[in-house]
Amino acid sequence: NAGVTQTPKFQVLKTGQSMTLQCAQDMNHNSMYWYRQDPGMGLRLIYYSASEGTTDKGEVPNGYNVSRLNKREFSLRLESAAPSQTSVYFCASSPDQGTNEKLFFGSGTQLSVL
Amino acid sequence: GNSVTQMEGPVTLSEEAFLTINCTYTATGYPSLFWYVQYPGEGLQLLLKATKADDKGSNKGFEATYRKETTSFHLEKGSVQVSDSAVYFCALRKGSARQLTFGSGTQLTVLP
Repeated sequence: NAGVTQTPKFQVLKTGQSMTLQCAQDMNHNSMYWYRQDPGMGLRLIYYSASEGTTDKGEVPNGYNVSRLNKREFSLRLESAAPSQTSVYFCASSPDQGTNEKLFFGSGTQLSVL
Repeated sequence: GNSVTQMEGPVTLSEEAFLTINCTYTATGYPSLFWYVQYPGEGLQLLLKATKADDKGSNKGFEATYRKETTSFHLEKGSVQVSDSAVYFCALRKGSARQLTFGSGTQLTVLP
């Protein structure tokens, strides 16, 4: 029962470094999402992918890029990390295109940018 | 724009106490409303939902009623257990919008 798997669970970067957060789901879902969660704020959508080969910007896309490598995998890349990107990142997936009621989440990646 | 406001935590209760976590929203029209729960070390998971006014969502002893007149979707449980300790998120989705709008989350700790 793997569900949605995110790696790594924790990461510390220096300002300007790059890294990729990996996400994979084994539920054959069409849609995948990247959210960030900051203290005192709700989850905010960074990017989403409604199907393999498509990606779209969410509420806070600046400073990030994504790749929907195949139906299973959806990665999030920080090209030049900034302290403002210190956050907890959640990947999620859902079976339905065009709706996202039934989201299945990974357990999160805690990222600190110094 | 759309927004969700939850009561600030943390909330600490004794086992078998009554739980209320307040959630109010701002949105035009009739959004769908959700409660998600995040147990320690895990991802968020859907707890319950309601898609129209006066609907009551329920699951695992938790309930929430969609109140259009007060724009609220408060989460309640009559008797909490230690295993209910988690972070609870209220969220809404408006129409065919792809993204959910989340509240900031409320940490609940239940003591034996």
